[in-house]
This record gives sequence, C-alpha cells and structure tokens, in this order.
Amino acid sequence: GQQVMQIPQYQHVQEGEDFTTYCNSSTTLSNIQWYKQRPGGHPVFLIQLVKSGEVKKQKRLTFQFGEAKKNSSLHITATQTTDVGTYFCAGTNSGAGSYQLTFGKGTKLSVIP
Amino acid sequence: EPEVTQTPSHQVTQMGQEVILRCVPISNHLYFYWYRQILGQKVEFLVSFYNNEISEKSEIFDDQFSVERPDGSNFTLKIRSTKLEDSAMYFCASRLAGNSYNEQFFGPGTRLTVL
Repeated sequence: GQQVMQIPQYQHVQEGEDFTTYCNSSTTLSNIQWYKQRPGGHPVFLIQLVKSGEVKKQKRLTFQFGEAKKNSSLHITATQTTDVGTYFCAGTNSGAGSYQLTFGKGTKLSVIP
Repeated sequence: EPEVTQTPSHQVTQMGQEVILRCVPISNHLYFYWYRQILGQKVEFLVSFYNNEISEKSEIFDDQFSVERPDGSNFTLKIRSTKLEDSAMYFCASRLAGNSYNEQFFGPGTRLTVL
C-alpha cells in the first residue's frame, strides 16, 4: 500500500531560525495536504498542493510539491514560538476512491525562545 | 465557522466492552472519515463513508469496528469488544463531496482509554 515517509521526526530550533520538513511518497500522489497539530490538539489543515512543481506561500510558510508528485516540503522562515507543534504531510491518490489521507509520521517542532 | 464536533472528549472503558464514539460532521459535507492516532504516533486512516455506505476501509478496521449514520447529522464509530491496543485518539473528519481537491476538516477527537 501507499506509504508516506517524513523527516526529520524531531526538530529543535532557536526562535528566529528556519525549519524544514520533508515528505516522500512511495507512489505518485493526486495531491498532498499539510496539517499542523498542536500538543493535545487535532490536525488542522494548512494547505493543499495539486500541481507538479507547485509552490505556495502562506506568510512565513513555503510549501513545495515535487515535479514527480512524490515529494513535498514545508519550510518555515524565522520560526516563532507559535509555530510549535507537529507538522504532518498527508497524501491522497486517485486510486483511493474516497481520497482518504495517508499521513506521514510528522515532524515535531520545538522552538526555543 | 462550521466545525466537526465529537463526543465524548474522553472515554474510559474496560477491555471487552463496547464503545460508541459520536461525531457530527459539517452539515453540507458528504464524505466522512474516521482516523485514529495512538499516542505519539501518526494519524492512521480507518474508514471512509459516503452515500450511506463504507467506501474504503483499512486493515485496522476489522470485524470489531462498524460505522453508522443513524440520522441526518450523526456519524458513529462502534467498537464491539475493545482491546487494550484500541487505546488511542479517534478523529472524525468530513469533506465536501466531489474530487480530491477538498480539505478534510477534523474534529477535536475522542481519547479512548481501554483498561
């Protein structure tokens, strides 16, 4: 079945440093979504990437989807303490009729003030 | 802003007991999902539901699990005879129908603890 790998598992940064998490799928994806989960919270949708090579920005967050639609990255510029949480990528493929999400293991971000 | 709600927020049960987890998806959404997250691990797909029937299910969703949409608003997950390894956070999610280009909205989750 489809597998989504995500690295690193943990990342500790000083406030103001940049942060990047990488996601890689074993199969070609229809789209990839990124979610943020705060400690004790539920996944909250951040963004969806659909097109090959797509790049989207949300303020300090930059999301990329690879040309082959098998990998993606999330980059945060100048982290803040409010960025703390676990960032999950989640892929869907057209073979899954209901478009259920296959999540990566997540990257837990800690920001040291 | 509309949101997915789940009850209870925390359920404690004895091994072998039946539990029902309840969800109210966003009202105009037509695809519904259950996911679970064992503490510290990733979110795992359990089942999807559309047009009053299961459309996909994972290997985790065995005969002990069932889902139902008993009325126009609730979406339930039943675990017939709970096991210790069923302890996890269970998330309900819903999505506007159509193609894959719609985000899934997650509820706050029900933490299930099996003793």
